[in-house]
Amino acid sequence: AQSVTQLDSQVPVFEEAPVELRCNYSSSVSVYLFWYVQYPNQGLQLLLKYLSGSTLVESINGFEAEFNKSQTSFHLRKPSVHISDTAEYFCAVSGSSGTYKYIFGTGTRLKVLA
Amino acid sequence: DAGVIQSPRHEVTEMGQEVTLRCKPISGHNSLFWYRQTMMRGLELLIYFNNNVPIDDSGMPEDRFSAKMPNASFSTLKIQPSEPRDSAVYFCASSFGGPNTGELFFGEGSRLTVL
Repeated sequence: AQSVTQLDSQVPVFEEAPVELRCNYSSSVSVYLFWYVQYPNQGLQLLLKYLSGSTLVESINGFEAEFNKSQTSFHLRKPSVHISDTAEYFCAVSGSSGTYKYIFGTGTRLKVLA
Repeated sequence: DAGVIQSPRHEVTEMGQEVTLRCKPISGHNSLFWYRQTMMRGLELLIYFNNNVPIDDSGMPEDRFSAKMPNASFSTLKIQPSEPRDSAVYFCASSFGGPNTGELFFGEGSRLTVL
């Protein structure tokens, strides 16, 4: 079975400052890891994913996350945030073989302040 | 290309009434997931289907909840009878469960309020 822990429920940060949203996972099998973003009154959208290969993955809007197997972490970072990044961010894990059961963390609400 | 389509977007009902939520996954996707989102419990996986077959329904809260997927393009989540604690946003998501994809595509959700 897999589980995901997002340690921070809310993260306030000033515009143009860097941010890190933390995610740790637990699994007895190889995993895929994801970050999803949810804007108000919308469904979740994929931000970035790690399936295999390079442990550093990037999104098109400047976010990046690094898969660290030894620390079982997949933290999300952005060097300079924008007001439009205000949203809720969910880390998720899925087994990498067989049927695909996605487990989500409890979410981190990022609030970017002007 | 149409995404995951859910209906209704909003439902207000009284305790004891039957509620049916509907989902049309993306054409070609072979996995379908129902999630429930609340402030208190976050995003909970209720059930997921692979090739129209329920694989894991361990997240279904109790017998009042049931889900079906009669074909590859349609799924329902039914609550009978509904209770105020069922109030939540219910999301349907689909994916193509291959080893090199792994992305879930979510609908916009059905916001259920049980009075």
